[in-house]
Formats: sequence, C-alpha cells, structure tokens
Amino acid sequence: NAGVTQTPKFQVLKTGQSMTLQCAQDMNHNSMYWYRQDPGMGLRLIYYSASEGTTDKGEVPNGYNVSRLNKREFSLRLESAAPSQTSVYFCASSDVAGGTYEQYFGPGTRLTVT
Amino acid sequence: DAKTTQPPSMDCAEGRAANLPCNHSTISGNEYVYWYRQIHSQGPQYIIHGLKNNETNEMASLIITEDRKSSTLILPHATLRDTAVYYCIVRGTNTGGFKTIFGAGTRLFVKA
Repeated sequence: NAGVTQTPKFQVLKTGQSMTLQCAQDMNHNSMYWYRQDPGMGLRLIYYSASEGTTDKGEVPNGYNVSRLNKREFSLRLESAAPSQTSVYFCASSDVAGGTYEQYFGPGTRLTVT
Repeated sequence: DAKTTQPPSMDCAEGRAANLPCNHSTISGNEYVYWYRQIHSQGPQYIIHGLKNNETNEMASLIITEDRKSSTLILPHATLRDTAVYYCIVRGTNTGGFKTIFGAGTRLFVKA
C-alpha cells in the first residue's frame, strides 16, 4: 500500500495564479484532511471531510476550496494564490468518523508564492 | 478539544530514555491523549494514544496521571533517528474530534 500520496511535491506560483493540490489514499479511510505548516510552526487544519460527500472548514479556510472527489481523493484548490499561502501542505486520512483513530499523513507539497 | 502545553525543546543522550511531558489540565472525560512526531520535512507520524491507562507499543510508552491532567511519552532507548518534533494532542471521540489541533510541540534533540 502506498498510504497517502500527494502531488505535486514542489510548486512555485506567481501571485494571483491558481492551482489544485491532489491527495489520494488507498487505505479505504472515510475521513480526509488538509493542513498547512508554516516554517517553525505546528500544523493548522484548513479543511476536512468526515466522509465522502461532506466537507467542513477547519481553523484557516480562507483562500482555499476543497473537493472530495470520491472516497479515495481529496483536493485542495487555491483560486488566487497570495504570498501568505507559501507553506508546506499536508494531506491526511483516518479510518472512522468519531471514535478513536489515528491520522496517516502524506509527504507534503512545498508551495512557494512569489 | 482541550489545549496542551509542552516544553519547546529537550535534549537526550543516545541510548537513554527520553521522557517528554505534556500538560492537559482542562481535559474532559471523553478526551483521549494522542502523540505524533514529525521528523524533519516529513509528514507527522502517529506514535500512541490512551484514555486513562498506561499504554505501550513497539515505539513508545504513554504514562497518564491518575487525574489525567498530564502525561509523559517515553522513548525507552532513544536513537539519533528519534530526533524530531513531538506533538501531544487531546481529542474527543465525538464529531468535533475531527478538528485535531496540532500545537508547536517539543523539539527533541538526541545527541551521540
């Protein structure tokens, strides 16, 4: 199993450009998440999807949109990138809704907005 | 979910036990304590979790105080590869538990 995969690994955007970060998991997990991590900081939750067909805002949703395409895939879109969105983006997945569960993380996408 | 407090950094000698403390004085009855770690530039990795009782797995042990207001993660024989940021998280089992909040964590340096 590949676990959680993310594409691309690196991306440089100019201010105002748009892009979509892709995430896929092969563990048949119900829930998926997008986090961002700024240098020297902890992770902050952007959006999450408790189950296929649902999405909800996390701590820092402004400037982002998400799509839960199917059970495996959860994408994050930046419509008009800003330098403040320069960060490392991690996707994660977990098994059940509620209950006790651990999250499995992907390797991250390093995004620079100039 | 309850907030946690961790020291910003700790050192440990290779081969010795690393004891990482976490304070969660506002934890409520249905909230679990989770530990993750993040090795440089990688995604966080789950280590262990517990509710009341002490827990042990192949990676670490988790000691939770009787009043559940604090816990300690123990790496019994730290190696250089254990150098990482360790996150202590408290989260409930209801739907609000989706919003797992990662703080700044403890940066553990294992020295030869």
